[in-house]
Amino acid sequence: DAGITQSPRHKVTETGTPVTLRCHQTENHRYMYWYRQDPGHGLRLIHYSYGVKDTDKGEVSDGYSVSRSKTEDFLLTLESATSSQTSVYFCAISPGLAGVNEQFFGPGTRLTVL
Amino acid sequence: DAKTTQPPSMDCAEGRAANLPCNHSTISGNEYVYWYRQIHSQGPQYIIHGLKNNETNEMASLIITEDRKSSTLILPHATLRDTAVYYCIARGKNFGNEKLTFGTGTRLTIIP
Repeated sequence: DAGITQSPRHKVTETGTPVTLRCHQTENHRYMYWYRQDPGHGLRLIHYSYGVKDTDKGEVSDGYSVSRSKTEDFLLTLESATSSQTSVYFCAISPGLAGVNEQFFGPGTRLTVL
Repeated sequence: DAKTTQPPSMDCAEGRAANLPCNHSTISGNEYVYWYRQIHSQGPQYIIHGLKNNETNEMASLIITEDRKSSTLILPHATLRDTAVYYCIARGKNFGNEKLTFGTGTRLTIIP
């Protein structure tokens, strides 16, 4: 299995509080992604990174920010959590080498916003 | 990325081959077909990908029709651990933008 961990694995928080989720990889892969998964919607991309300090928005980026100060860490921040952000969040990595690049996913973080 | 269509659910008897279809009639010439699966509560897992030719690895086989408008993922001897949601994705080879678009997939249930 790819060396990818997420923390915390579970979190319950209240509306309006800031929340930061961490994705850590030991594969030295260039690309990192944050997805959310909700019933009936499949996985949707929030933000992704193509290198240290290089990030871009996905299809559901409103209300989220990201940072990548080191190759191995990609942080997802909810500045002021809302109940609509209750979801399961998955981090993924891919090498970004020439050719077809599969993505490897972390175990997920279940976030509940009350 | 081309749109893909999969049946919402399928059953397969344990030990039999599971054949999961995917329609991608608008696929373009440089788009690959990827398959991922997601076992309950876990992150998605890459299975296989292909462009034109049939492909096989330790997990599965991928059969792509000659016109590339559809494909079939084959799990040759399904086990209970293969119960999962299977996603078919069509996308181009693009090093600069590796985003995947997941649909709702096929829920495969392996029956003892």
